Amino acid sequence: LAKTTQPISMDSYEGQEVNITCSHNNIATNDYITWYQQFPSQGPRFIIQGYKTKVTNEVASLFIPADRKSSTLSLPRVSLSDTAVYYCLEPQGSSNTGKLIFGQGTTLQVKP
Amino acid sequence: EAGVAQSPRYKIIEKRQSVAFWCNPISGHATLYWYQQILGQGPKLLIQFQNNGVVDDSQLPKDRFSAERLKGVDSTLKIQPAKLEDSAVYLCASSLVGSGNTIYFGEGSWLTVV
Repeated sequence: LAKTTQPISMDSYEGQEVNITCSHNNIATNDYITWYQQFPSQGPRFIIQGYKTKVTNEVASLFIPADRKSSTLSLPRVSLSDTAVYYCLEPQGSSNTGKLIFGQGTTLQVKP
Repeated sequence: EAGVAQSPRYKIIEKRQSVAFWCNPISGHATLYWYQQILGQGPKLLIQFQNNGVVDDSQLPKDRFSAERLKGVDSTLKIQPAKLEDSAVYLCASSLVGSGNTIYFGEGSWLTVV
């Protein structure tokens, strides 16, 4: 079973900032939180991961508070092409044999 | 850098027939995964290899599914006999050892069982 909880769906409009929050109340001390994005008819792709505080790359920002029981993926100024399913993941197992267990993800629909 | 290659891209078979999917991971990636994704759901891990050894196959329906990675590179996933509920996308992914958070997926093989 997935160890994270996130909303099933979200709607937004072009140009808005979208924040998707994920709960991971029992995150292990050494675990990172990882987010993947999946477009229709494609496999998921890695977008960002973090341990605590804030991480930013060209695609998104990830905010993780000090207690690490949740995280928020922030997509600035979304466009129609950001319509996708976003998965919040916590790896299960050791760092060498860890596996990613996907939940249902959050389906983001960006409207014009 | 070439990504994860999968074939065939699409396959339609009748129930009780067999089907095989092939995967070529990214060069140098020792870990290979097969996921099953049913429409509207997240990917479900079927089997994980490290080199040519099985790390986890707890979710693989072994009465009808089999997978191998004989030389530690390419992998084949077979379903025999297929059932209607096997209709799904079969995703292959690969990663470097110790980089389990960052795995790279192929485009998937779409299976329809009629």
